[in-house]
Amino acid sequence: GQQVMQIPQYQHVQEGEDFTTYCNSSTTLSNIQWYKQRPGGHPVFLIQLVKSGEVKKQKRLTFQFGEAKKNSSLHITATQTTDVGTYFCLYNFNKFYFGSGTKLNVKP
Amino acid sequence: EAQVTQNPRYLITVTGKKLTVTCSQNMNHEYMSWYRQDPGLGLRQIYYSMNVEVTDKGDVPEGYKVSRKEKRNFPLILESPSPNQTSLYFCASTPGGSYNEQFFGPGTRLTVL
Repeated sequence: GQQVMQIPQYQHVQEGEDFTTYCNSSTTLSNIQWYKQRPGGHPVFLIQLVKSGEVKKQKRLTFQFGEAKKNSSLHITATQTTDVGTYFCLYNFNKFYFGSGTKLNVKP
Repeated sequence: EAQVTQNPRYLITVTGKKLTVTCSQNMNHEYMSWYRQDPGLGLRQIYYSMNVEVTDKGDVPEGYKVSRKEKRNFPLILESPSPNQTSLYFCASTPGGSYNEQFFGPGTRLTVL
């Protein structure tokens, strides 16, 4: 079964506030990917993290992979209404598993 | 255009009536998967295929069958659908391995009455 917890389940923010979602594993991960699913849409790949301590940025999005490769986070600075959706981490333990997702709602 | 297509997009059926959801990708990807998405449970892998004629169970395979006779197609078969298979289904493909991004189809919303 799944050994990765994703938190929080929901986050409601005012436009301009920051947002962070976390995926925490009890065991070391080989890599982790992040996906975004807009309401009514399908998951779309955002980024992949492979190296210990890796940090990657995409405009207002910052992705981190912990030193022990057990934790990862996605941080959005100054959210916009276009950030609305559910964010998932995806990891691999022989098979692919998605985190339970964090649903982000942004109030204009 | 590189894409994954699924048909049908929406389907309402009755218990026990066999159905097939088709999935096709034009990217020559080796690895294909089926997922179901349910509120509160997220996305769970049903079956996957690492190449033609190679399929294996994912996390929730009960009640489903798949086949991979050609590289581009990976149909999902429900031999005797039941109401607990009402869900949103996604097909995905990737070049192979866990270090490549997955490309998802638009989804099929299935309701079993």
